[in-house]
Amino acid sequence: EDQVTQSPEALRLQEGESSSLNCSYTVSGLRGLFWYRQDPGKGPEFLFTLYSAGEEKEKERLKATLTKKESFLHITAPKPEDSATYLCAVPHGSSNTGKLIFGQGTTLQVKP
Amino acid sequence: DGGITQSPKYLFRKEGQNVTLSCEQNLNHDAMYWYRQDPGQGLRLIYYSQIVNDFQKGDIAEGYSVSREKKESFPLTVTSAQKNPTAFYLCASSMGTGSHEQYFGPGTRLTVT
Repeated sequence: EDQVTQSPEALRLQEGESSSLNCSYTVSGLRGLFWYRQDPGKGPEFLFTLYSAGEEKEKERLKATLTKKESFLHITAPKPEDSATYLCAVPHGSSNTGKLIFGQGTTLQVKP
Repeated sequence: DGGITQSPKYLFRKEGQNVTLSCEQNLNHDAMYWYRQDPGQGLRLIYYSQIVNDFQKGDIAEGYSVSREKKESFPLTVTSAQKNPTAFYLCASSMGTGSHEQYFGPGTRLTVT
């Protein structure tokens, strides 16, 4: 069964304290892994797409990496404005319908 | 500016009433999706449409209905048959088959009392 699991559920960091969020997936034939950022009461904002193991993408203090079983979202020297819920998602392995499987998300709080 | 709009942002209804949530996109995307988000449950797919005049049920379609008469629009009706309609509803779109990056609207928070 296709599955996406994110850890930890919640993460509290001090400003400047770097860390990583994990997204583990089980899907037949990975056709992309997507990271989103969601602020409270708003729709998810697209961040990155990763397609193959070893691929890396960066945006400001965020760097996403991908292996054959998991993806990491590394946050370097975070600021309070990085506080949000981070979601990862993969397409269903068995069809080409565009359906995504989402993880439960990691809620990040960065304290000044 | 291209994007996805959802209206209204907040919606209140009495139990037993049907309600329709609006979703419009000007990204020229073929595919559109409706999700429901509840605390601690993540995003769950309600309905999706890959092309005009065609749509499929997602994982939790019971009590909901949709239409796709225009490429730009994908309204969702929450019927009185939906047992727990209070939730945050998100609409998304993507270029379609072969491209899975989905872009989301701002969401509609529906409260039914």
